[in-house]
Amino acid sequence: EVQLVESGGGLVKPGGSLRLSCAASGFTFSSYNMNWVRQAPGKGLEWVSSISSSSSYIYYADSVKGRFTISRDNAKNSLYLQMNSLRAEDTAVYYCAREIQDFWSGVPSYFDYWGQGTLVTVSS
Amino acid sequence: QSVLTQPPSVSAAPGQKVTISCSGSSSNIGNNYVSWYQQLPGTAPKLLIYDNNKRPSGIPDRFSGSKSGTSATLGITGLQTGDEADYYCGTWDSSLSAGGGVFGTGTKVTVL
Repeated sequence: EVQLVESGGGLVKPGGSLRLSCAASGFTFSSYNMNWVRQAPGKGLEWVSSISSSSSYIYYADSVKGRFTISRDNAKNSLYLQMNSLRAEDTAVYYCAREIQDFWSGVPSYFDYWGQGTLVTVSS
Repeated sequence: QSVLTQPPSVSAAPGQKVTISCSGSSSNIGNNYVSWYQQLPGTAPKLLIYDNNKRPSGIPDRFSGSKSGTSATLGITGLQTGDEADYYCGTWDSSLSAGGGVFGTGTKVTVL
């Protein structure tokens, strides 16, 4: 059974840092691209970042570029999100999600599994 | 920041049908697959439709998806009280300023 379990959320002051983790199990983690998606309280989904299976390709939303860093450790079946210079608008539940690519083109297609999410609150 | 537009809400009586539209552009829906996600209150999103119109194992055929040009549609027939949730469309955007995943604004489905 595929499982994604996020951790590391909490309350942090503006300007502070936090590192989120996502522990994966039930599948060959090193074969899949992974993503972070967040959802502010009462708001919709916002894609944050993606990392390819071997960490060769990394992408960020403009809203977090230069402040957040995505990484992974395939030996530990883990995905990470280092968040620096946090702002109030970064307050959200952060989900890790497994990405499925189109078989023929290799283009990202959809997210088939999501974790339960971890809440990050940025407030003084 | 959503670049895909959905109606805020739709509603219908049990057993009826609802459709949810998702409008984008050539840089996202027009050139990429569309997926749909169901988010029940207090839970994580769940994949409902992928590659425009395919259903994952376990998703009933009451749920259907379609895409035409730069728009996509989710249909739910035989509406049930358990279908009350928020629904999001998703795809990828290949424009320079927004490369990456994009989601719709979300639609709340209410069963009257």
